[in-house]
Amino acid sequence: EVQLVESGGGLIQPGGSLRLSCAASGFTVSSNYMSWVRQAPGKGLEWVSVIYSGGSTYYADSVKGRFTISRDNSKNTLYLQMNSLRAEDTAVYYCARVGGIAAHPFDYWGQGTLVTVSS
Amino acid sequence: QSALTQPASVSGSPGQSITISCTGTSSDVGGYNYVSWYQQHPGKAPKLMIYDVSNRPSGVSNRFSGSKSGNTASLTISGLQAEDEADYYCSSYTSSSTLEGYVFGTGTKVTVL
Repeated sequence: EVQLVESGGGLIQPGGSLRLSCAASGFTVSSNYMSWVRQAPGKGLEWVSVIYSGGSTYYADSVKGRFTISRDNSKNTLYLQMNSLRAEDTAVYYCARVGGIAAHPFDYWGQGTLVTVSS
Repeated sequence: QSALTQPASVSGSPGQSITISCTGTSSDVGGYNYVSWYQQHPGKAPKLMIYDVSNRPSGVSNRFSGSKSGNTASLTISGLQAEDEADYYCSSYTSSSTLEGYVFGTGTKVTVL
């Protein structure tokens, strides 16, 4: 059974850093595209970043240069390093597997972890 | 990197059919057959309902169907049921000279009257 479990969220001051983790089971992270998607309170979904199976990474303009997506193949875990955090980064962050059944759908999602950026 | 455009809300009575539109550009919806649709109930993670424009994952009701014409994709829910009341988001793969990744729609709240 495919499972994704995020962790690492919390309250952080503006300008601070946080690293989110997404532990996967039931499949191999390094063999799939993996992505982070966020949702600000009461708002819609916003794509954040993707890492392809070959290692290429891409980011939304809103986080480029501040966030870094990576994975640890030995731990079958996806990460999102978030630096220079701003109030507008406050959101529930979901990790999602991309593909599986086809090239680009987000077919499995975690339960999300809340990041609150506030002083 | 603009969000795809969806109507804010759509409503229908039980048993009726409703359609949600999702308008993008030639760099996303119009350029690729990689449009997917997600259902999200309050406090829950999104659930994949349609992928590659019109395909349903195993386990998703055949009351849900998708299509695309030009830069606009559509999700139709037929035989509307109370459990269909939720937020729905479209998404598309996107690639241009300045961006590669994904873009989501603005979201549509479906209300069952």
